[in-house]
Amino acid sequence: AQSVTQLGSHVSVSEGALVLLRCNYSSSVPPYLFWYVQYPNQGLQLLLKYTSAATLVKGINGFEAEFKKSETSFHLTKPSAHMSDAAEYFCAVRTTGNQFYFGTGTSLTVIP
Amino acid sequence: EPEVTQTPSHQVTQMGQEVILRCVPISNHLYFYWYRQILGQKVEFLVSFYNNEISEKSEIFDDQFSVERPDGSNFTLKIRSTKLEDSAMYFCASRAGTGNTGELFFGEGSRLTVL
Repeated sequence: AQSVTQLGSHVSVSEGALVLLRCNYSSSVPPYLFWYVQYPNQGLQLLLKYTSAATLVKGINGFEAEFKKSETSFHLTKPSAHMSDAAEYFCAVRTTGNQFYFGTGTSLTVIP
Repeated sequence: EPEVTQTPSHQVTQMGQEVILRCVPISNHLYFYWYRQILGQKVEFLVSFYNNEISEKSEIFDDQFSVERPDGSNFTLKIRSTKLEDSAMYFCASRAGTGNTGELFFGEGSRLTVL
């Protein structure tokens, strides 16, 4: 079965500090991996996706993620946190089937 | 930019009542999904729909739930007899059919409150 695990349900960083949100996947076949962001009272918006073209993926708002097959990880990073980055972040995996599996989410708080 | 739209944005209903949540997916998309998110919890898969039939459903999607694409543009989720535990945000999503890498595009959600 495919799944994703997000370590840390809450992460707090200072404004300007590095953001690191962790995601590990389990998949028996090469996966397609996604990071979504959810701002309060809104739907999920795609940040970036890994589709096997390149292991380092750049997304919107300065976020990027690196696919590491040896570690089965797809951690999300941003060099410098901004107040507007405060949101819920979801990692998701899809293999060759039709279903997307979401992690439990990580709530990011940015401290001024 | 094309988007997924959902109505209503918020519905309050009495336990036992029927509820229909409506979605208009992006027009050239072929795969449609419903997810739900209970307050403060993770996003849970309910059902996926392709070629006018359910392709996958979760254990949450029991006989109280049904989906329909009645007219080629709308995609509805019906809950026949709502329970208190059905209170959640329900998200519709759609995906293009070309290639395996397509991401889900989500609507803003419909908040269902069952009293």
